Amino acid sequence: DQQVKQNSPSLSVQEGRISILNCDYTNSMFDYFLWYKKYPAEGPTFLISISSIKDKNEDGRFTVFLNKSAKHLSLHIVPSQPGDSAVYFCAAQAETSYDKVIFGPGTSLSVIP
Amino acid sequence: DAGITQSPRHKVTETGTPVTLRCHQTENHRYMYWYRQDPGHGLRLIHYSYGVKDTDKGEVSDGYSVSRSKTEDFLLTLESATSSQTSVYFCAISESSADSNQPQHFGDGTRLSIL
Repeated sequence: DQQVKQNSPSLSVQEGRISILNCDYTNSMFDYFLWYKKYPAEGPTFLISISSIKDKNEDGRFTVFLNKSAKHLSLHIVPSQPGDSAVYFCAAQAETSYDKVIFGPGTSLSVIP
Repeated sequence: DAGITQSPRHKVTETGTPVTLRCHQTENHRYMYWYRQDPGHGLRLIHYSYGVKDTDKGEVSDGYSVSRSKTEDFLLTLESATSSQTSVYFCAISESSADSNQPQHFGDGTRLSIL
């Protein structure tokens, strides 16, 4: 059973609009969350993270929101650009086990010019 | 970019043959990982290493073995490849430990097809 879920396999957004990618988790021991971005024929690259002691973390156009009670996080991209078209993986780590990362199945984002 | 090189980048082989994938890093990171990426599953951990000769199993370790004789090299071996092992394999490195989180850095992957 997947501990990290991304229920939308794909998402299309117009350039300049907001992209919202969602992620749900089931393990209450997770206390650190990350987003990775992956282009075709390349490895994933780290994008942004958030600790469970926060509910928001912002880095330029990218903001991650965490709702611990709902076990839900989301990545907002504003404004979306064609270069943001990629697969986005949500990932989680548990305290005392930070050497392991649990990844979700990914959401493919297409930003339409 | 983190210095991670995976070889080969592409390989086609037949069922029952042994296959070894190599991951080489120039960052001197303690942790190294092997993942496979399959549609609908994201990245799943096969094996990881926390030091020379120190390895442990991940979520999908059956049919795979690993070795780490040097800090910079982490080998993944399929002793007798099966069609279910057709996948894209990623190596990652990290300075994380069990109680300290650091992002993982990934290589560009090896596309393995087993016919």
